[in-house]
Amino acid sequence: AQSVSQHNHHVILSEAASLELGCNYSYGGTVNLFWYVQYPGQHLQLLLKYFSGDPLVKGIKGFEAEFIKSKFSFNLRKPSVQWSDTAEYFCAVNVPGYSSASKIIFGSGTRLSIRP
Amino acid sequence: DGGITQSPKYLFRKEGQNVTLSCEQNLNHDAMYWYRQDPGQGLRLIYYSQIVNDFQKGDIAEGYSVSREKKESFPLTVTSAQKNPTAFYLCASSIHRGATDTQYFGPGTRLTVL
Repeated sequence: AQSVSQHNHHVILSEAASLELGCNYSYGGTVNLFWYVQYPGQHLQLLLKYFSGDPLVKGIKGFEAEFIKSKFSFNLRKPSVQWSDTAEYFCAVNVPGYSSASKIIFGSGTRLSIRP
Repeated sequence: DGGITQSPKYLFRKEGQNVTLSCEQNLNHDAMYWYRQDPGQGLRLIYYSQIVNDFQKGDIAEGYSVSREKKESFPLTVTSAQKNPTAFYLCASSIHRGATDTQYFGPGTRLTVL
C-alpha cells in the first residue's frame, strides 16, 4: 500500500537557520505531491504542490520543495526561517487513478518550533 | 466569505452515545472529506464523497457514518461502535475529484469521550 514517511517528528531551530524537512513516499508510478501547513489555531492550508514539470516547486512564504523521483522524496526547504514559521507540516501524496481520484495519503507530520 | 465551517469546535460525549459533527462549505465544491487527526499519526481518511448522494469509505470507516444529501453539507456521525473516538476531526473539500485538486480544510472539531 502507498505510504508517506516524515522521519522528523519535531524540529527545533533558531530564527534565520535553514530548514529542510524530509518526506519520502512509497509508490513507483506517477504521483502528485503536496505540503500542507497547520499554524497554531489555524486551518490546515496548502503550502505548495507538484504535479509535473520543473521538480523544484516554489510555494507561499518563501518555502520550496524538490521532487527527486529516484529517491522517492519531496523535501521541504526554506533558506531562513522566521518565528512565524512555527507550525506543523504535513507531506501528502495522491496517486492518480488509485481507488478514487482525490484520495490523498498524509504523512504523520513534523512539528517545527522556531526559537526567537 | 467563502470557506468551510465545522461545528461545534469542542464536543464532549458519554460512552455509548452517538454524536454528529457538522461540516458545511460554500465553495461550491463537488468533493468533501472527513479526516481524523491523532498525535503522531497525521491525518487518516474516514469517508469521502465525490458527488451528492454518493460517498465512499476511507481507511478507517468502522464506527462512523456519513450522508451527503446536499452539495454543501457532509455530516459525520461517530457511533458507539467506534472504539476510540476521542480525536480531532477535520473536514475538507475540493472543487472536483481530480487528483491534482487542492483540498481546503475546516477548523476542526475536537471530540472527547468521557
